[in-house]
Amino acid sequence: GAVVSQHPSRVICKSGTSVKIECRSLDFQATTMFWYRQFPKQSLMLMATSNEGSKATYEQGVEKDKFLINHASLTLSTLTVTSAHPEDSSFYICSAGGQGTEAFFGQGTRLTVV
Amino acid sequence: QQQVKQSPQSLIVQKGGISIINCAYENTAFDYFPWYQQFPGKGPALLIAIRPDVSEKKEGRFTISFNKSAKQFSLHIMDSQPGDSATYFCAATYSGGYQKVTFGTGTKLQVIP
Repeated sequence: GAVVSQHPSRVICKSGTSVKIECRSLDFQATTMFWYRQFPKQSLMLMATSNEGSKATYEQGVEKDKFLINHASLTLSTLTVTSAHPEDSSFYICSAGGQGTEAFFGQGTRLTVV
Repeated sequence: QQQVKQSPQSLIVQKGGISIINCAYENTAFDYFPWYQQFPGKGPALLIAIRPDVSEKKEGRFTISFNKSAKQFSLHIMDSQPGDSATYFCAATYSGGYQKVTFGTGTKLQVIP
């Protein structure tokens, strides 16, 4: 299957700082990528849909000014958590798909805000 | 509102036994139903998927049963192995948005020797 890579896999940042997470499709082009958040022992909840060359679409209840999404190319989407606080600590996962029906998921990024 | 409901929340099965996880959905626009396996600290990986025009799909030890009229589907893991211990998510998506996945609540499976 297609490969989606996230970086970093783990990050610790201080409260009030911003952190950027990258999501890359390694062997296909993705006009659309998706960002999910997963709290411990919970399911994945869709945060936003990232569209190449246009603004992201955010799910209800997700603060677009806190979670900045940029999809500047067909192989890269970034999620920036701005002014991070401890409650933003979570597992962030991206997904993407090329032609066809499947969504391929990255390995996730564990964010810890201290 | 949870659009895809999943049970049980956790499951302990003896090695060699059958693991069964059940899901139900509400939105009839869903027309593609994947199952994902997730190990701790990793992203979910596609295990098997089914469309509603098929009542059953089998791949190796994994079988999906689908009941369109009841809007229910289930995953059966035959001859369960300790290596199957993971969290399993049923999911649903729809034509034109196959990559936008709605996940169930998850089932933590533990297979004991």
